[in-house]
Amino acid sequence: GENVEQHPSTLSVQEGDSAVIKCTYSDSASNYFPWYKQELGKRPQLIIDIRSNVGEKKDQRIAVTLNKTAKHFSLHITETQPEDSAVYFCAASKGGTYKYIFGTGTRLKVLA
Amino acid sequence: GAVVSQHPSWVICKSGTSVKIECRSLDFQATTMFWYRQFPKQSLMLMATSNEGSKATYEQGVEKDKFLINHASLTLSTLTVTSAHPEDSSFYICSARPGEQYFGPGTRLTVT
Repeated sequence: GENVEQHPSTLSVQEGDSAVIKCTYSDSASNYFPWYKQELGKRPQLIIDIRSNVGEKKDQRIAVTLNKTAKHFSLHITETQPEDSAVYFCAASKGGTYKYIFGTGTRLKVLA
Repeated sequence: GAVVSQHPSWVICKSGTSVKIECRSLDFQATTMFWYRQFPKQSLMLMATSNEGSKATYEQGVEKDKFLINHASLTLSTLTVTSAHPEDSSFYICSARPGEQYFGPGTRLTVT
């Protein structure tokens, strides 16, 4: 079955700097890759996603890149702010099952 | 956006009793819902896929007789933890998909 690895497990950056979180997946049939943000005690919220027919997607300060050949995808957050502090999860899914297999999560701390 | 609710938000029960958790899609119909379990500071582990009008599909290692799932309507799925034990204490989150998955707020179960 699908396996998703996520790095790093924790990440501290200074406010205004960029943060990058990387994920790799094992199943080449996976074709949808969402990213979720989870604040303490709250539900995961979808922040951005990418499909396998696209190499990059951007939404304001957040971008995601996908390398299908290498089977990895990354989340990029620019100009980080304290409110970006949260746990971020990547996931992989393949069409037909709609199941998400989540990475292990990255705890991001943005230091003011 | 799509809204998913869960009830209760937290519950404490005694060992050996059963607990039912409800997951509702409030503003859309969900033919498929998912149940996850999340331990403190850990990732979301998919337990089962709940399909309206049919039996749930359980992930490997999840006891279907212990975690009973019923998806009786297009807006409601229930998870019943039967004969709960302290090791079942966890955060249970459901999700529903009108497309991408939207998560409920979660239910914190404590078994004493």
